[in-house]
Amino acid sequence: QVQLQESGPGLVKPSETLSLTCTVSGYSISSGYYWGWVRQLPGKGLEWIGNIFHSGNTYYNPSLKGRVTISVDTSKNQFFLKVSDATAADTAVYYCARMVEADHAEYLHLWGQGTLVTVSS
Amino acid sequence: DIQMTQSPSTLSASVGDRVTITCRASQSISNWLAWYQQKPGKAPKLLIYKASNLESGVPSTFSGSGYVTEFTLTISSLQPDDFATYYCQQYNSYPLTFGGGTKVEMK
Repeated sequence: QVQLQESGPGLVKPSETLSLTCTVSGYSISSGYYWGWVRQLPGKGLEWIGNIFHSGNTYYNPSLKGRVTISVDTSKNQFFLKVSDATAADTAVYYCARMVEADHAEYLHLWGQGTLVTVSS
Repeated sequence: DIQMTQSPSTLSASVGDRVTITCRASQSISNWLAWYQQKPGKAPKLLIYKASNLESGVPSTFSGSGYVTEFTLTISSLQPDDFATYYCQQYNSYPLTFGGGTKVEMK
């Protein structure tokens, strides 16, 4: 059974870097699929952050203005999210997901349980 | 960016009702549309992909239809477990975008 689990600090200070890890079990990241991050602001809808292929190809949401880096470590079966220069507007539940590739882009097939990150001093 | 607009934002219904949620895209997305169900405090769950394909394990009371810019999610007979918020998502092009959500609540 494939499972994804987010981990990382639940509290980040403004201007610091928000860093999260997604650990995948039951499937080898290097076998395929895209792997991505989505966030949900408190009481709001869903926002796609970006995704990565096991080879390292990445796609990011331009709305995050270049503050996002997604990387992968296939030896640990993990992928990572970094959001630099965090502000209160980055306070959200962050989800990692396995994504299925279609003609031009992907949908989110399997989700982690999510982790709340609060940006506050 | 492709804007996804869902309606209604809230829907009140009873067990056994037929429920329809609409999702409109600001430009053509062919049939590259997915639907998700989210319950409070939980991650979204994939229900439908490519507009009308039911994800494995999803009850057949759920169905999706539509093409180009207008799409619907239908629950043929609402069950107690179906009270939740539903989101559509386009994957025709980057950036991936979601609708604002439709909350299905008990009448």
